[in-house]
Parts: sequence; C-alpha cells; structure tokens
Amino acid sequence: EVQLVESGGGLVQPGGSLRLSCAASGFTFSNYAMHWVRQAPGKGLEYVSAISNNGANTYYADSVKGRFTISRDNSKNTLSLQMGSLRGEDMAVYYCARQEQLAYDCWGQGTLVTVSS
Amino acid sequence: EIVMTQSPATLSVSPGERATLSCRASQSVTSNLAWYQQKPGQAPRLLIYGASTRATGIPARFSGSESGTEFTLTISSLQSEDFAVYYCQQYNAWPRTFGQGTKVEIK
Repeated sequence: EVQLVESGGGLVQPGGSLRLSCAASGFTFSNYAMHWVRQAPGKGLEYVSAISNNGANTYYADSVKGRFTISRDNSKNTLSLQMGSLRGEDMAVYYCARQEQLAYDCWGQGTLVTVSS
Repeated sequence: EIVMTQSPATLSVSPGERATLSCRASQSVTSNLAWYQQKPGQAPRLLIYGASTRATGIPARFSGSESGTEFTLTISSLQSEDFAVYYCQQYNAWPRTFGQGTKVEIK
C-alpha cells in the first residue's frame, strides 16, 4: 500500500524554526518528485515547495523562498521541509504529496504547524 | 503566477442531481489541470488529471472537460459521499496554483 506519513508539526513561536518529515512506503520513492502543500485553518490549498526525484531540482513558492528548504533522503525514503523565520501566516496543516503525471496522486494525512507566542 | 478562479463558491445540489463546477485559468495551462476532492478532516484526493482523465479508482460519474482556459468538473448523479470541497490545480507552470475551492453541499 502506498503511504505517506508526515511528522514534526507542533507549536512554535514567531521567528522560530521547525523541521517536517514525510516517511514514504509502498512505492519506489526515488522514482517520484515530491511536493509540500499547506492549508491554513478554514482556507484553501497552497503549494509550498517541490523537489525532483533525485533532489537535483527544487522549487519554492515566493511566500516561503529563502525561509524554507526542501530535501530528501532516497536511502531512507524520507522527504523533509526545514522551516525557518516562521510567521503567523505559515500556520497550517502541511501535506506531503507524490507527483504522478504531474498531478498529486497520493497525499499524507498532514501535520499541523501552529505559530504563536 | 497563474490565477485559478473557481465558481461557484458553494453549490447546493440534491442527491441524484447533476453538479457542474467551473475553473478558469488566467492564462493557458494547456491540459495540465487536475481536480481534487477534499472532505472535512481529510487530505485531498486526486479525481481528474490532464483535464479529463480519471485517476485510479475514481467512479465514472466524475468527468472533466476543457475549453480553452475554462475547465469543468461534472458529477453526473451526486451520491452522499460526494458532498465535499473540490479544488482545481494547474501544473503547467511554476508555481503550481490552486483555485479557491467549490463546496458542494446538500440542498
């Protein structure tokens, strides 16, 4: 069974840092580009970042560029998102998603990031 | 950035009726458009990609079409499990962008 499981969310103060992880199983992780998508409470979906299957190429939304870093470890089937200089507007559920035919065919259950003092 | 505009924001439909959801792109995305369904407390689920191809396991009552920069998701006969929020997404250009969503509610 194809599965993505996020972890690492929690409460962080404004200006703080947090590292999210996404553990993949049930498929050949190194064959797929991976993405992070977030959803603020009661709001819609927002693309955050993406990484190619071999990690050579990365993409970021302007809203997180310079503050977030996406990475992957294909030997451990793990996707990560290092988040820094966190702001109130970064508060959201963060989903990792697998890219297939350029769309997102598999999503994790999400991890909640709360930014508050 | 390509702006995706969905309409209506809320659609009230009776079970068994047809639902038609619209999504307009601010510029051409060719056929690089997907539709997702999201139920409360759940992650989104891919329904349609390539504007009109159903994802694995998606019932035939879901169909997608396109006309230029206008895209349509049609649910031919709404079932109780179809009441949810639906999002379109373009993946023709970076950044990937989503529409704001259409909530399909029970009339």
